[in-house]
Amino acid sequence: QVTLRESGPALAKPTQTLTLTCTFSGFSFSTSGVCVSWVRQPPGKSLEWLALIDWDDGKYYSTSLKTRLTISKDTSKNQVVLTMTNMDPVDTATYYCARHRYRSGCQEFDYWGQGTLVTVSS
Amino acid sequence: DIQMTQSPSSLSASVGDRVTITCRASQSIYNYLNWYQQKPGKAPEVLIYAASKLQTGVPSRFSGSGSGTDFTLTISSLQPEDFATYYCQQSYRSPYSFGQGTKMEIK
Repeated sequence: QVTLRESGPALAKPTQTLTLTCTFSGFSFSTSGVCVSWVRQPPGKSLEWLALIDWDDGKYYSTSLKTRLTISKDTSKNQVVLTMTNMDPVDTATYYCARHRYRSGCQEFDYWGQGTLVTVSS
Repeated sequence: DIQMTQSPSSLSASVGDRVTITCRASQSIYNYLNWYQQKPGKAPEVLIYAASKLQTGVPSRFSGSGSGTDFTLTISSLQPEDFATYYCQQSYRSPYSFGQGTKMEIK
């Protein structure tokens, strides 16, 4: 079955670079049509899409955050890594990775990780 | 970027009520519209995809409609487990934006 799990530090300091890893099972980037995104949710607020990587190494980013984000994948390890530079307290959020269902493009999120809460504080 | 606007932001309703949530896109997204339910402390779960297709396992009291810029999620008869927050999301093009959410509360 498909599972995703986020991992990374629970606490980050302002100006630091955050690195989050999504480790998944039940599918592989070796298969065409695989897309994985990162989505975040500040406490009590809405969902915000951050970045997507696909099986063909296509990469897409949030317009407002693209200068700070880098997404990459390790096909052999079944992992997707997100780095976010220059962390700020407003970046405090639960960070999710999620798989897209593919139909002529990366469509709805059909599987999500449980999320990892990252708090940014000095 | 495509902006997604949901209304209302919160909704107070009773068990058995029929409720409708609206989502509007800032430009046509055809039928590339998805609805999610999120309960406290949990990841979202897809309810409706491609505007009107019911995700496997989701009760038939949930339905979606619309195309272009205007979409609705309807719950025909609210059940206690439906009190949650609902989000629309467009998958027409990157960046894949979400609505701000509708929190369904018990009256």
